[in-house]
Amino acid sequence: RKEVEQDPGPFNVPEGATVAFNCTYSNSASQSFFWYRQDCRKEPKLLMSVYSSGNEDGRFTAQLNRASQYISLLIRDSKLSDSATYLCVVNKRGGADGLTFGKGTHLIIQP
Amino acid sequence: NAGVMQNPRHLVRRRGQEARLRCSPMKGHSHVYWYRQLPEEGLKFMVYLQKENIIDESGMPKERFSAEFPKEGPSILRIQQVVRGDSAAYFCASSPAVGEQFFGPGTRLTVL
Repeated sequence: RKEVEQDPGPFNVPEGATVAFNCTYSNSASQSFFWYRQDCRKEPKLLMSVYSSGNEDGRFTAQLNRASQYISLLIRDSKLSDSATYLCVVNKRGGADGLTFGKGTHLIIQP
Repeated sequence: NAGVMQNPRHLVRRRGQEARLRCSPMKGHSHVYWYRQLPEEGLKFMVYLQKENIIDESGMPKERFSAEFPKEGPSILRIQQVVRGDSAAYFCASSPAVGEQFFGPGTRLTVL
């Protein structure tokens, strides 16, 4: 079983729609969770951290379910500029440590 | 405050040659991480270093790959006797003691 699994997509979504991704992780001892965004042939950039209580940043909402080892990302009122690959990322030990990345979910927002 | 810098951005090597990839962390960051992204794959952790110390090299291939982060100068990822399967994007990230990892633009290695 892969350490972090995501649906690769692509998700083709009309502009203004709401889209949701999720991922699952295999290591129950994982400490920290993130969503990164990667544009084509660019470096990954942190979109948001994910907390058990759920957190929101503008149009983006992230949720963590530790019991199910499941992480989600919701994007509301999607923009053309949201087109990218969204990477689910886990830090096994917390603190300074190598990150474990999913392969990513490819999102295409259509005008 | 300049971000993480990597050079070269593109590197072409023939099979059997050596590749040296450099990474300068953000100012004030003492932790450096190297990741590899093979074509159509996710990023894979390779090694985590602090100044003059390798902290975790669990993701490094056993042979031909080495990394260092000297007291002065950039971190270096060295690949000896490159093979076609080494062709990938190599990303470096840096962080302060505890915190977000900031990624550099990557070095795209092509092995002919």
